[in-house]
Amino acid sequence: NAGVMQNPRHLVRRRGQEARLRCSPMKGHSHVYWYRQLPEEGLKFMVYLQKENIIDESGMPKERFSAEFPKEGPSILRIQQVVRGDSAAYFCASSPRGANNEQFFGPGTRLTVL
Amino acid sequence: LAKTTQPISMDSYEGQEVNITCSHNNIATNDYITWYQQFPSQGPRFIIQGYKTKVTNEVASLFIPADRKSSTLSLPRVSLSDTAVYYCLVGDETGRRALTFGSGTRLQVQP
Repeated sequence: NAGVMQNPRHLVRRRGQEARLRCSPMKGHSHVYWYRQLPEEGLKFMVYLQKENIIDESGMPKERFSAEFPKEGPSILRIQQVVRGDSAAYFCASSPRGANNEQFFGPGTRLTVL
Repeated sequence: LAKTTQPISMDSYEGQEVNITCSHNNIATNDYITWYQQFPSQGPRFIIQGYKTKVTNEVASLFIPADRKSSTLSLPRVSLSDTAVYYCLVGDETGRRALTFGSGTRLQVQP
């Protein structure tokens, strides 16, 4: 059973461009979470999705950020018109049940905005 | 959301037992306590989870007093490879409240 897959592992964008981060949860997991981590800091929750539904997006910036988890395919975190402050590691996690269930994390996508 | 407080950093030597305590004064009745480990440039990895008293697995033990306002992660006989950041989280089982990662405890194990 493959673990959580994230791609790309590294993404470089110029200010104003769009960034698309993909996350394929573990097989059988219908709950996906996105976190952002700045250097030397803890993970900050962004959004929690369960197949086609956003359960909790309280940690997501109101503008430029969006997330989806379609019925088929990976979950996508989309950042429009990136700014330098968006540079961070973005981690995706999945679990078979709710938020308090063990979460399995992917290797992360490191976004660098030039 | 129940907030957690942990020491920022700890130092230890190989072979010693390490205890990391986490405070969560506002823990709710339905909340579980979970600990994760994170190595540099990697995603966090689940270590252990508990609700009350003591839980033990092949990696660690988790001690939770009766009032549940704190918990202690115990790592027996640490090695250099246990150098990592350890996060304490509290969250409920309903799945509708997101987990909150604090700043974690940076454990440095010396030879």
